[in-house]
Amino acid sequence: DAGVTQSPTHLIKTRGQHVTLRCSPISGHKSVSWYQQVLGQGPQFIFQYYEKEERGRGNFPDRFSARQFPNYSSELNVNALLLGDSALYLCASNGRGRTTYNSPLHFGNGTRLTVT
Amino acid sequence: KQEVTQIPAALSVPEGENLVLNCSFTDSAIYNLQWFRQDPGKGLTSLLLIQSSQREQTSGRLNASLDKSSGRSTLYIAASQPGDSATYLCAGAYNNAGNMLTFGGGTRLMVKP
Repeated sequence: DAGVTQSPTHLIKTRGQHVTLRCSPISGHKSVSWYQQVLGQGPQFIFQYYEKEERGRGNFPDRFSARQFPNYSSELNVNALLLGDSALYLCASNGRGRTTYNSPLHFGNGTRLTVT
Repeated sequence: KQEVTQIPAALSVPEGENLVLNCSFTDSAIYNLQWFRQDPGKGLTSLLLIQSSQREQTSGRLNASLDKSSGRSTLYIAASQPGDSATYLCAGAYNNAGNMLTFGGGTRLMVKP
């Protein structure tokens, strides 16, 4: 099986712009989660989606939004970019079949976003 | 508030040493505790998942333990190798699907030949 894939790998944007990051989960995984990792810190939870519904949201402003498509791929959107949004954005998937209960998270290699 | 702390932040050891990485969490209502490895500029690789009802998990030279009552987990690496050099992250899952994780800041490990 191919792993979690994310695109693009790197992105440079200017303050105030909008960005869309994309993620394809492992085949058969129905749950996708998004994390932000600032340099030198552990990842912070942003969103979790299951079967196209938002199931969880971390402590991030409304400028951050996401959605999941019928094929279980996902997009993370960030509006009105700030310098502090510069980070590695990680997507993860887990769960096969009808449940994601207690199955390990599989992460992609992330999108490195730089805001200037 | 759920907080996860990892000590030390960085560790350097000679090849062949056995070592222990520490993780502590403030909220014992976790569903599972996961350990990950992260190489520079890369994503996270899952190493071990310990369910809340378990005490430990083993995979090869890795052994992770979980003590919910004290809010602690340890990752034991036996016979360390230079290829083990990476950042190790622990994370507590506070939902039963195990995908809304609270991460520690990581321990950066360097194993010297």
